[in-house]
Amino acid sequence: EPEVTQTPSHQVTQMGQEVILRCVPISNHLYFYWYRQILGQKVEFLVSFYNNEISEKSEIFDDQFSVERPDGSNFTLKIRSTKLEDSAMYFCASSAGQVFADYYEQYFGPGTRLTVT
Amino acid sequence: TQLLEQSPQFLSIQEGENLTVYCNSSSVFSSLQWYRQEPGEGPVLLVTVVTGGEVKKLKRLTFQFGDARKDSSLHITAAQTGDTGLYLCARGGYSSASKIIFGSGTRLSIRP
Repeated sequence: EPEVTQTPSHQVTQMGQEVILRCVPISNHLYFYWYRQILGQKVEFLVSFYNNEISEKSEIFDDQFSVERPDGSNFTLKIRSTKLEDSAMYFCASSAGQVFADYYEQYFGPGTRLTVT
Repeated sequence: TQLLEQSPQFLSIQEGENLTVYCNSSSVFSSLQWYRQEPGEGPVLLVTVVTGGEVKKLKRLTFQFGDARKDSSLHITAAQTGDTGLYLCARGGYSSASKIIFGSGTRLSIRP
């Protein structure tokens, strides 16, 4: 069964460093998302992406964050200068386009645990 | 902000028992999803309900969407230790690009 994959599974970085989290969405999906989950808290939406541009972003997604689809398969989240409070699990998700019956369903990857020290 | 309240927050029961967890909101939703999340992993989609009053079954799990599309329940029959996990309800998006908003979850523990 197709699935969303994410790399790395765990990333440790020092405060102020840049990190890039990578995702490979399900191949026929057209909508891509990033969410994060701070330990013990809810899963929170960061950004959605469609047709090579951001569709929606949350207040969390400030100028330090950016997303990119550099080729036909990868979807990345970059944090330019990490802060301690960026430590969290980051989940990528993807969703099919409207031509599919389940277009409003999002499928999540296993996550990248980001630890900022 | 459309809040999803889940109850109970925590539930610990013996294997073989039945249980129901709830998801409530003051808002009407176009659809509602239930996910299950295990520690250190991503949420896994279990079901989407769309029509008011809809009932969907997934083996021993029965999901119901309220008639007014403001609430939902998940009933597990004869719980097994493998059912242990965090169960999240989530508001479905109004369009394909819409974010999902998750409830706070019910952490379920099934004792052998």
